[in-house]
Amino acid sequence: GAVVSQHPSWVICKSGTSVKIECRSLDFQATTMFWYRQFPKQSLMLMATSNEGSKATYEQGVEKDKFLINHASLTLSTLTVTSAHPEDSSFYICSATVGGTDTQYFGPGTRLTVL
Amino acid sequence: QKEVEQDPGPLSVPEGAIVSLNCTYSNSAFQYFMWYRQYSRKGPELLMYTYSSGNKEDGRFTAQVDKSSKYISLFIRDSQPSDSATYLCAMSNPGGTSYGKLTFGQGTILTVHP
Repeated sequence: GAVVSQHPSWVICKSGTSVKIECRSLDFQATTMFWYRQFPKQSLMLMATSNEGSKATYEQGVEKDKFLINHASLTLSTLTVTSAHPEDSSFYICSATVGGTDTQYFGPGTRLTVL
Repeated sequence: QKEVEQDPGPLSVPEGAIVSLNCTYSNSAFQYFMWYRQYSRKGPELLMYTYSSGNKEDGRFTAQVDKSSKYISLFIRDSQPSDSATYLCAMSNPGGTSYGKLTFGQGTILTVHP
């Protein structure tokens, strides 16, 4: 149980385009989803916290107009990287929690490469 | 000073060895403690979840929490090459505005060689 999927697993795009990444909880309803960014050989950096039906809460230093998060249902959250640039190239990982616990279950990650 | 400190290693051990991974933390409000394993280019996988001081065992893995010393450990017995991965400690404060957020250590890269 507690499986989280992400799509796509790998995306390459041209500079200036927008990319959407989906995060789904497959066998449970996720009250909260989190979006992280990870650089090579570094730990996870929390970007934002997303609750179903409400606006995401962004961490300090994360541009909310750059990284648009939508959490339209209890099983789906999306991260859209708008007008992507090479410095946005990174590994993006989502996670989801089951209601009432702090345990986060992570998706497999999406590798974004911006040319 | 970071809230959570974890020796990044890398740590290299022979197959069958006992591995000890550790994290220290400074925030006494942390109540939940987790260990995640992350293989290269994959998302973290939850290994152990503990609340309060004490030990928790699951197969070859034992998690220890010492809240008085603000120190947590993960022991891996009879280590296998398949245990080669990055191990991340994480902890959370269930109260206030931080509810649900995890604070991660830097991760320790472990290699178990045959």
